[in-house]
Amino acid sequence: ETGVTQTPRHLVMGMTNKKSLKCEQHLGHNAMYWYKQSAKKPLELMFVYSLEERVENNSVPSRFSPECPNSSHLFLHLHTLQPEDSALYLCASSQDYSTISSYEQYFGPGTRLTVT
Amino acid sequence: DAKTTQPPSMDCAEGRAANLPCNHSTISGNEYVYWYRQIHSQGPQYIIHGLKNNETNEMASLIITEDRKSSTLILPHATLRDTAVYYCIALTNAGGTSYGKLTFGQGTILTVHP
Repeated sequence: ETGVTQTPRHLVMGMTNKKSLKCEQHLGHNAMYWYKQSAKKPLELMFVYSLEERVENNSVPSRFSPECPNSSHLFLHLHTLQPEDSALYLCASSQDYSTISSYEQYFGPGTRLTVT
Repeated sequence: DAKTTQPPSMDCAEGRAANLPCNHSTISGNEYVYWYRQIHSQGPQYIIHGLKNNETNEMASLIITEDRKSSTLILPHATLRDTAVYYCIALTNAGGTSYGKLTFGQGTILTVHP
């Protein structure tokens, strides 16, 4: 138990569906992250939020839309995805973003997404 | 960030110490050594980090050579649940846009057997 939870753990969606991934951290951290991990590919940072403000958006397609309503919750809204978007989506948090503590990240278990 | 090199795989007997090496010969003075692991189908897990001195926490010990060109992660009493891919990464404290970005290489697949 890392203090970071993600729901759902598994999701199968069609290309025309709209769904949302949810992440919640119980660590009192100020920074939250979304990562994508595809089979045989390295971890890809998608979005970073620091104190509920988006500070990184690494050229992610607009069909992925993040939302951070408060420092404990992070959402990833999905719409009109492609089969190549099938992957493990990981949420993480760290104490802060703009310090060395940003590298000590605590990950949730991930959501295994399959786009059909 | 400095390149790190790790053996692709290692075996360890349950109950014995697992010593995972990492080479980072080009590491700069402001780069820290971080270790993470990822158990199959789970999210990565932070283990430990250090700059110059050896570090120990409830999970592991980190031994960094005096010249800082290599380090060893030690799991003192490996269990079957320690079977995972272990990643060693060098991360800068130089600030700017580099904070927060974790990039894992191939890592070492550690298999703990009974």
